[in-house]
Order: sequence, then C-alpha cells, then structure tokens
Amino acid sequence: NAGVTQTPKFQVLKTGQSMTLQCAQDMNHEYMSWYRQDPGMGLRLIHYSVGAGITDQGEVPNGYNVSRSTTEDFPLRLLSAAPSQTSVYFCASSYTINYNEQFFGPGTRLTVL
Amino acid sequence: TQLLEQSPQFLSIQEGENLTVYCNSSSVFSSLQWYRQEPGEGPVLLVTVVTGGEVKKLKRLTFQFGDARKDSSLHITAAQPGDTGLYLCAGSSNDYKLSFGAGTTVTVRA
Repeated sequence: NAGVTQTPKFQVLKTGQSMTLQCAQDMNHEYMSWYRQDPGMGLRLIHYSVGAGITDQGEVPNGYNVSRSTTEDFPLRLLSAAPSQTSVYFCASSYTINYNEQFFGPGTRLTVL
Repeated sequence: TQLLEQSPQFLSIQEGENLTVYCNSSSVFSSLQWYRQEPGEGPVLLVTVVTGGEVKKLKRLTFQFGDARKDSSLHITAAQPGDTGLYLCAGSSNDYKLSFGAGTTVTVRA
C-alpha cells in the first residue's frame, strides 16, 4: 500500500493563479481531510469529506474548493491564489474521524508570490 | 484562537532527562490524540485516549487524559535524540472535525 500520496511536493504560484493539489489514498478510508500548517499555528482544517459525494467546510475554507467523486481521491483547488495561502498543505485519511488514526500524506509546500 | 493550547511551545533538554508536554482546552473531547511530526513529513499518530483519567504507556512515553476529558499530558522518560520532533495534540468532539494544538517542538541534545 502506498498510503496517502500528495502531488506536487513543491509549488510556486503567482498571485491570482489557480491550481489543484492532488491527494489519493489506497486504504479504502471513508474520511479524508485537508489541513494547512503555518508556523506556530499547528494544523488547521480546510475541508473534509465523510465519504464519496459528501464534503463540508472546516475552520479555514475561504479560497479553497474540494470535491470527492471517488473514495480514493480528494483534490484541493485554489481558485485564485493569494500570498496568505503560502503554507504547507497536508491531506489525511482515516476509517472514521472518531478514535481512528489519521494517516497523513507527505505534504505540499506552496509559495504564492 | 487555538481550541487546544499546548505548552511549552519549545523544549530543549539533554539526553537522559525527562520532559512533559501539556495540552489544555476549555472544551470536552470525546477522544484525544498525540502525533509526532519530523521535518518535511506529515504527522504520525502516537496514541489515542478516549476515557477520562486514562493512562497509556508506549515504551518511554506516558500519555494521560484528564478526568474531565479537557486536557492531556505527554511525559517522556530518559529522552533520547530520536525523540526530537514536533509533538501535536488533537481533539475530536464527535462532529467530524479534528482540532489541533499549535505543537511543542522538542529538541533532545546528545
């Protein structure tokens, strides 16, 4: 099993550009989520999904869109990148949210100029 | 505002010393997890505690969940350089959202 994979590993964007961060898991997990990690702030939840076709907003959803057409994939779209979105982005999955281990991907380091 | 407050923010100790990291909240959690993260990687789960007052041991690491399920602590005995990393606590409140603390950066000097 590859676990949770994320691409790209690094990305530089100009303000106003759009892009999609890819996330895939091969563990048949129902729950998937996206976090951003900024210095001194831990991980903040952007969006999450409890199953294919179901998504909901987390703590910091503005400027991001998600979709969940399959159990395996959960892409994160930046609609119009802003410097405030410079961060490290982590995708995670688990069988459920409660009591279950969150498996994290290796992260995508995004810089918006 | 961080739902979970971790202290201290940074901790640097000599190999062989003990350390304790705290995770506090005004909210009640149905479960609380501790993760360790190394530079350039995603967090990795160390433990999940679900019962108030619960104590779990993982080799030299001892985790405790407060009786009221609002706080937790992580104690490392005889720390080793391999224990160096960012320790994160995360709480779940049955609403499909996991809230993370800001983390404690632990450095163990050889």
